Amino acid sequence: GENVEQHPSTLSVQEGDSAVIKCTYSDSASNYFPWYKQELGKRPQLIIDIRSNVGEKKDQRIAVTLNKTAKHFSLHITETQPEDSAVYFCAASKGSGTGGSYIPTFGRGTSLIVHP
Amino acid sequence: DSGVTQTPKHLITATGQRVTLRCSPRSGDLSVYWYQQSLDQGLQFLIQYYNGEERAKGNILERFSAQQFPDLHSELNLSSLELGDSALYFCASSVGDTGGEQYFGPGTRLTVT
Repeated sequence: GENVEQHPSTLSVQEGDSAVIKCTYSDSASNYFPWYKQELGKRPQLIIDIRSNVGEKKDQRIAVTLNKTAKHFSLHITETQPEDSAVYFCAASKGSGTGGSYIPTFGRGTSLIVHP
Repeated sequence: DSGVTQTPKHLITATGQRVTLRCSPRSGDLSVYWYQQSLDQGLQFLIQYYNGEERAKGNILERFSAQQFPDLHSELNLSSLELGDSALYFCASSVGDTGGEQYFGPGTRLTVT
């Protein structure tokens, strides 16, 4: 099955700095890569996603890059703010079954701490 | 607010007992996914239902079962509970055919004592 490794497990930055979280996956058939942000005690929230036919996607201060050959993808957050502090999860998935279901395999998470 | 609802928010029960967690997906979503989140195992996929039918199974124990009803809400049944079953249980929903985007509910925190 799919295996997703996520690094680092903890990332501490100063407000205004950039933060980069990296994930690698094992199944070359994976073609959908979402990122989730989870604040303490709350639900994971989809913040950005990328599909395998795209190399980069941006949404304001966040961007995701995908290298299919190397089987890794990264989340980039620029101009970090204290409210960005949370646990970030990457996931890799591929379509399966006839209903277009994508079952994600999650990384173990990165705890991002943004110091004011 | 994702539009996905889960009840109850918290559940405290004893070992050996049985509980039922409930999830209502976003309006229009046909797929429901159940996840278990614990400190040592991270987010683990349990099971998926699509339009009332079981579609995919993950690391779900035999003591656990789920179903999706005609109105598309889903229930996760956990029986013969053990201390190690204490975790946050999330459900998520997606349209199912557009591929990928899942929206999570607020979760049910289960504590087994």
